[in-house]
Amino acid sequence: ETGVTQTPRHLVMGMTNKKSLKCEQHLGHNAMYWYKQSAKKPLELMFVYSLEERVENNSVPSRFSPECPNSSHLFLHLHTLQPEDSALYLCASSDGQGGNTGELFFGEGSRLTVL
Amino acid sequence: AQSVAQPEDQVNVAEGNPLTVKCTYSVSGNPYLFWYVQYPNRGLQFLLKYITGDNLVKGSYGFEAEFNKSQTSFHLKKPSALVSDSALYFCAVRDLYNFNKFYFGSGTKLNVKP
Repeated sequence: ETGVTQTPRHLVMGMTNKKSLKCEQHLGHNAMYWYKQSAKKPLELMFVYSLEERVENNSVPSRFSPECPNSSHLFLHLHTLQPEDSALYLCASSDGQGGNTGELFFGEGSRLTVL
Repeated sequence: AQSVAQPEDQVNVAEGNPLTVKCTYSVSGNPYLFWYVQYPNRGLQFLLKYITGDNLVKGSYGFEAEFNKSQTSFHLKKPSALVSDSALYFCAVRDLYNFNKFYFGSGTKLNVKP
């Protein structure tokens, strides 16, 4: 496999469920990202991990819990979500080394619906 | 602070006509600028980027973008639009002081009609 892979592509969960989104990158990048894309809203940066250390946390509610066990894998653990959390969750990676001019590479997204 | 703006929520163009999707930026220093395209229920796909050099940058699917420093713009262009170009387009800038951060515009929906 190449690029950035996200699973599952679609997820429906109740407000009391616990689920996880998974992202895997095969590009040798050292930075990984979670973005949230809601209808008619700008792309929202949620978390950034660089060299497996969380470097950005944009005031995301604690019901979203990221995990980066190594530079190739990123998880987003979900629990007690609200219906307004329904959105497309996008994972991305980049080479975050200083001076690098590379772009972000995105996965296909996980469409989350909270009932 | 770094930012980009896409002044048009939607652009309509007839197939075969040239298209332009506008982007302006606000950065301190030389910008690293990007264009992405998103089809429904898909991730963002990289189209092209400007780092330095020639102001006209060529990218995927026949798209190009013109960097204009005096107007702080980076408009996306294509000489002849296709119906299949209909999608959501995002302009982005990379933070020069925090290379882990990218700032995205709000997106422009391009509609190409037959």
